[in-house]
Amino acid sequence: AQSVTQLDSQVPVFEEAPVELRCNYSSSVSVYLFWYVQYPNQGLQLLLKYLSGSTLVKGINGFEAEFNKSQTSFHLRKPSVHISDTAEYFCAVTPGGATNKLIFGTGTLLAVQP
Amino acid sequence: GAVVSQHPSRVICKSGTSVKIECRSLDFQATTMFWYRQFPKQSLMLMATSNEGSKATYEQGVEKDKFLINHASLTLSTLTVTSAHPEDSSFYICSVRGDRTSGSSYEQYFGPGTRLTVT
Repeated sequence: AQSVTQLDSQVPVFEEAPVELRCNYSSSVSVYLFWYVQYPNQGLQLLLKYLSGSTLVKGINGFEAEFNKSQTSFHLRKPSVHISDTAEYFCAVTPGGATNKLIFGTGTLLAVQP
Repeated sequence: GAVVSQHPSRVICKSGTSVKIECRSLDFQATTMFWYRQFPKQSLMLMATSNEGSKATYEQGVEKDKFLINHASLTLSTLTVTSAHPEDSSFYICSVRGDRTSGSSYEQYFGPGTRLTVT
């Protein structure tokens, strides 16, 4: 079975500082990896995804993530954050196949301070 | 990606009543939709997978008689919470699966969510 671990429940950071949100997964099969962002009382918006190919994936809003198969990680990074980046970030995996079920991590609250 | 709407955005109902939540795919024919629930400050938990024209597949521990799902068309799926109780209060989110022909079949596009409060 697949699982996703987001070790940091909350990450405080000052505006314009870099940030990394950690995500580790476990799976006995190849997976596809996603990062979603959720603003208060809203649904989820896809930031980026890794399906295959280059392990460095660039997404919207200046975010990027790197897939590391040996470390089973898919950490999210941004070189300079803005106040508007304050939100909950979810890492998710799917083993693909017919069901395409998404398995979510517990989320990381990115709190950007002025 | 697909544009997904949910109605209502928030609803308050009395204990024992039933509530229907609609999920619409506005620009996309979705053969598969997913229903999630999210408790405060927690992650999304998949409740069921809804396939157009067939019965929904429920996750373990989700009561299918309590959470009725109907996916009657390629653009509409409904979730009915029957005989609601305060513990059913939660944020319910639907999503649609991407289209294989567009190469995005592994993506899900999410609705804005419905906040259900049972008093």
